[in-house]
Amino acid sequence: EAQVTQNPRYLITVTGKKLTVTCSQNMNHEYMSWYRQDPGLGLRQIYYSMNVEVTDKGDVPEGYKVSRKEKRNFPLILESPSPNQTSLYFCASSLRRGGTDTQYFGPGTRLTVL
Amino acid sequence: RKEVEQDPGPFNVPEGATVAFNCTYSNSASQSFFWYRQDCRKEPKLLMSVYSSGNEDGRFTAQLNRASQYISLLIRDSKLSDSATYLCVVNTAAGNKLTFGGGTRVLVKP
Repeated sequence: EAQVTQNPRYLITVTGKKLTVTCSQNMNHEYMSWYRQDPGLGLRQIYYSMNVEVTDKGDVPEGYKVSRKEKRNFPLILESPSPNQTSLYFCASSLRRGGTDTQYFGPGTRLTVL
Repeated sequence: RKEVEQDPGPFNVPEGATVAFNCTYSNSASQSFFWYRQDCRKEPKLLMSVYSSGNEDGRFTAQLNRASQYISLLIRDSKLSDSATYLCVVNTAAGNKLTFGGGTRVLVKP
C-alpha cells in the first residue's frame, strides 16, 4: 500500500530533550516536506527536500533540523525542544519536484513539550 | 497580509443545499492551486486541483479567477460526509513551496 508513515504518532517530552520524528514514504517520491499545524495559523512549512541531500528552509525552520540521506526517509530533528514547538506535525511527499503534484500526507505526530 | 487567506467559517449548511467559499492569494505569480480536505485533526487529502478553465468533480466545482486573485470551491447537494475543513493551497512563484490557507470549516446538518 502506498503510504507515508510517521513515528511516533504521539509524544510528550520535556524542554531540551532532543527528539527525532521519523518520516518514510514507499512511493519513490522526490519531494518531501514537513509542516506544523497550529490553531488559527493553519499548516506552515518547516523544511522541504527536493531530492537526496537537497533540503531547504520553509516558513518556520527555526529550532528544527532535517536530513535526506535516503530518498524514502526525511526525519525531523528537534535538538532542544521548547514549549512553543508543541504542535501537530505532518510529513508529506509528492512525486515531482517543486511540490506541484499531489501531496500525500502522513497521519501526523502530536507533540507536547512541557 | 497573509499569502493565502480563507474565511474560517464555520459554514453551517443544511443537507442537500449548496455552499460556496473563496480563497484569496497575494502573489500574482502563483502558478498552481489546490483544494485539500481535512477531517478533524487528521491528515489533509487532495480534493481537487484547480485549473484555469475551472473544473468539476462530481458535486464539487473549483474556479480560478486570476484577475482578482482568488479561487473558489462550490459543493452541490451537500452530504453529511462533506463536513470537514477545506484547505486552499497555492504553489508560489518560487515553485518549490506550497502555502496553505487557514482552512474553511463546513458543517453539514440534517
